[in-house]
Amino acid sequence: AQSVAQPEDQVNVAEGNPLTVKCTYSVSGNPYLFWYVQYPNRGLQFLLKYITGDNLVKGSYGFEAEFNKSQTSFHLKKPSALVSDSALYFCAVRDGSSGYALNFGKGTSLLVTP
Amino acid sequence: KAGVTQTPRYLIKTRGQQVTLSCSPISGHRSVSWYQQTPGQGLQFLFEYFSETQRNKGNFPGRFSGRQFSNSRSEMNVSTLELGDSALYLCASSEDPVTGELFFGEGSRLTVL
Repeated sequence: AQSVAQPEDQVNVAEGNPLTVKCTYSVSGNPYLFWYVQYPNRGLQFLLKYITGDNLVKGSYGFEAEFNKSQTSFHLKKPSALVSDSALYFCAVRDGSSGYALNFGKGTSLLVTP
Repeated sequence: KAGVTQTPRYLIKTRGQQVTLSCSPISGHRSVSWYQQTPGQGLQFLFEYFSETQRNKGNFPGRFSGRQFSNSRSEMNVSTLELGDSALYLCASSEDPVTGELFFGEGSRLTVL
């Protein structure tokens, strides 16, 4: 079985401050991890992924995420938040050893205030 | 390349009716997945198709079905609609169904009255 948890329903941060959106995962095989962003009434947009290799992954729009195997985490980060980053963020996991389905977390709403 | 195209974008049905949603993947992508998104349950996996074969199915009743055609276009069907089927249905395609990211369409918003 594979699952992902996003412990925070909402994250508030001031513009210019660093932001972190948390994600932990559970898989029986190799974890393939993804972050997506969704703006209102839109589909999901891919931000970044971890498959193998360097634990620090850089993605679109200045976002990055760090894969931590011992803590089974894959937190999304950005050094300096923009108001336009306000959106719904989803972490997702696929068990690389056994499946094709991508399982998503419940999502975290990010609000960046001016 | 054109993105994933879903039709219709919005539709309203009444309980007991059926609905068919269509998805055209990115050219060259042979894997197509469907998801249901609701405020209460979030994003739930419905099914995944690759080269016309359903390889994974989520925990949904048999009223939910799908298929994929030889050109990779996909359709999903929901029969005997219930109020709880009101949701945003998202289709996504992928070049590599294991390591590849999903590219999502804008979704079909279904309202069941």
